[in-house]
Amino acid sequence: DAKTTQPPSMDCAEGRAANLPCNHSTISGNEYVYWYRQIHSQGPQYIIHGLKNNETNEMASLIITEDRKSSTLILPHATLRDTAVYYCIVIPTSGTYKYIFGTGTRLKVLA
Amino acid sequence: EAGVTQSPTHLIKTRGQQATLRCSPISGHTSVYWYQQALGLGLQFLLWYDEGEERNRGNFPPRFSGRQFPNYSSELNVNALELEDSALYLCASSVSGLKEAFFGQGTRLTVV
Repeated sequence: DAKTTQPPSMDCAEGRAANLPCNHSTISGNEYVYWYRQIHSQGPQYIIHGLKNNETNEMASLIITEDRKSSTLILPHATLRDTAVYYCIVIPTSGTYKYIFGTGTRLKVLA
Repeated sequence: EAGVTQSPTHLIKTRGQQATLRCSPISGHTSVYWYQQALGLGLQFLLWYDEGEERNRGNFPPRFSGRQFPNYSSELNVNALELEDSALYLCASSVSGLKEAFFGQGTRLTVV
């Protein structure tokens, strides 16, 4: 079973920041938070990951709460091409690397 | 650099037949993962291979099997196809020991 919960859908205006929340209240100290997205019928695309510090790359920022029980993916200036299903998953730092995808958040960027 | 490539992109089979799906990982990647995504549903973990060995398996019947070759490419075989096996089959690869996986574009299997 997935160890994360996400809202099923969200809308965001084009050009605005999209903030996608994820709850992972049972996360262990040795588990990373990873974010992927899947644009319609394509393979999932890696976005970003973090352990306990906030992270930023050219695609997005990841904010992890101090207790690590939740995180937020931020797309700073959403475009229509960011419309996709966004998955938040937790993966241990060692041992099995089985990715368990939940149902994700369907983000719709509106013109 | 080439990404993860899967072949064929589309495959149509008759119920009861066997299907073979292929995956070539990114150069330097030794881990290969297989997922099934039925229409409108999430990704279901099928198999994980690393360094030629099966490391983990999802909740699928034994008629779903695979292997990883010495060059780290992989095959997924589905025997005795059923209509419910119709889905997008995704392959991903990663460097062994790291978690950042890169996905291919998938093989869409249709069982009629």
